[in-house]
Amino acid sequence: AQTVTQSQPEMSVQEAETVTLSCTYDTSENNYYLFWYKQPPSRQMILVIRQEAYKQQNATENRFSVNFQKAAKSFSLKISDSQLGDTAMYFCAFEVSDRDDKIIFGKGTRLHILP
Amino acid sequence: DVKVTQSSRYLVKRTGEKVFLECVQDMDHENMFWYRQDPGLGLRLIYFSYDVKMKEKGDIPEGYSVSREKKERFSLILESASTNQTSMYLCAVSGPNTGELFFGEGSRLTVL
Repeated sequence: AQTVTQSQPEMSVQEAETVTLSCTYDTSENNYYLFWYKQPPSRQMILVIRQEAYKQQNATENRFSVNFQKAAKSFSLKISDSQLGDTAMYFCAFEVSDRDDKIIFGKGTRLHILP
Repeated sequence: DVKVTQSSRYLVKRTGEKVFLECVQDMDHENMFWYRQDPGLGLRLIYFSYDVKMKEKGDIPEGYSVSREKKERFSLILESASTNQTSMYLCAVSGPNTGELFFGEGSRLTVL
């Protein structure tokens, strides 16, 4: 069975700083996808970034980037130049490729960006 | 983007009541999901559906059932609500790209 572990329940950083959220996962599959989802306070969950396991290059979306270490089964999210609007719950998630869209989520990291 | 609408943002029900949570999408997507979100536990999958009248159990289906009579609508049913079902319930619809789920705003249910 696949599992996703986020070891940081809560974090706080000053605005404009860089912050890294950790995620590890466990699977015996070789082809899969990894994701970071963001849930702002009282707002809908949205997809931040996606990484295909077969791609060696780390995914990047503007200020958001990942450090994907397949051998270590690690998938961290880096937020550069953090902004107040980045305050949210962040969920790391996993899906086996070509399966049924069934996504497994970690327990989340609550991130506070301080002014 | 897919618009996902959940019928109720906040509900308060009594133990033993039957509860319906409805979810409607505005696109013609097959896969729909119901998750439960609890502090410290993340999101846990209750049920999902690939098409009309099809349903699959997720990780925590006990105490819940679902209905999908039309493609755009996926309902979560609590036959006899209990206090341990007090939670945030999230409906999601899969988008065209793998892993891209579109979520509703959530339904916060309190069972007294």
